[in-house]
Amino acid sequence: GQNIDQPTEMTATEGAIVQINCTYQTSGFNGLFWYQQHAGEAPTFLSYNVLDGLEEKGRFSSFLSRSKGYSYLLLKELQMKDSASYLCAGAVTGGGNKLTFGTGTQLKVEL
Amino acid sequence: DGGITQSPKYLFRKEGQNVTLSCEQNLNHDAMYWYRQDPGQGLRLIYYSQIVNDFQKGDIAEGYSVSREKKESFPLTVTSAQKNPTAFYLCASTDQGGGTEAFFGQGTRLTVV
Repeated sequence: GQNIDQPTEMTATEGAIVQINCTYQTSGFNGLFWYQQHAGEAPTFLSYNVLDGLEEKGRFSSFLSRSKGYSYLLLKELQMKDSASYLCAGAVTGGGNKLTFGTGTQLKVEL
Repeated sequence: DGGITQSPKYLFRKEGQNVTLSCEQNLNHDAMYWYRQDPGQGLRLIYYSQIVNDFQKGDIAEGYSVSREKKESFPLTVTSAQKNPTAFYLCASTDQGGGTEAFFGQGTRLTVV
């Protein structure tokens, strides 16, 4: 499996930009996912990266560097509804779509 | 509408009892997964199945059992051997092939009383 590390908590201001970092072991890496999870609810898919570079999707972007074992999720024009936990998850070669999740980063958006 | 359904949403169990959590999907996905989530922790994989009549242990399988008799269904039994069963349980499914997103059910919150 993978070891996935991400910060436990972050706080940001409405309208601002926030970057949530994630590091992972590179051995057997086969793609990295970001999910959003509101308290007591199911995670919802945000992005998938398998090649180096930036993937942009509206206010959310995700970046991957395979050589550094590093990814980040960038949230722009923060809204109060973006307050949630953001889960970084890695897939490994030969593991199908079995994922190893980080602990999640709890983002609090303040006025 | 296609989706993945877990039931019940809340479940209470007495110590020493087995309990089964239901997970059904109509997405025609081959692979299904059970995760456990505890406060302050990420999702941990209990069991997964990539095809009907086959399943593998995940990272924390002790005290749990599963079956995969139909493609649509992947029930999880929490047995009395699971020492700390109170948690939020999430079922997910994916298509085969790498890089496909997981679709999650709404979760079952199990509390031992």
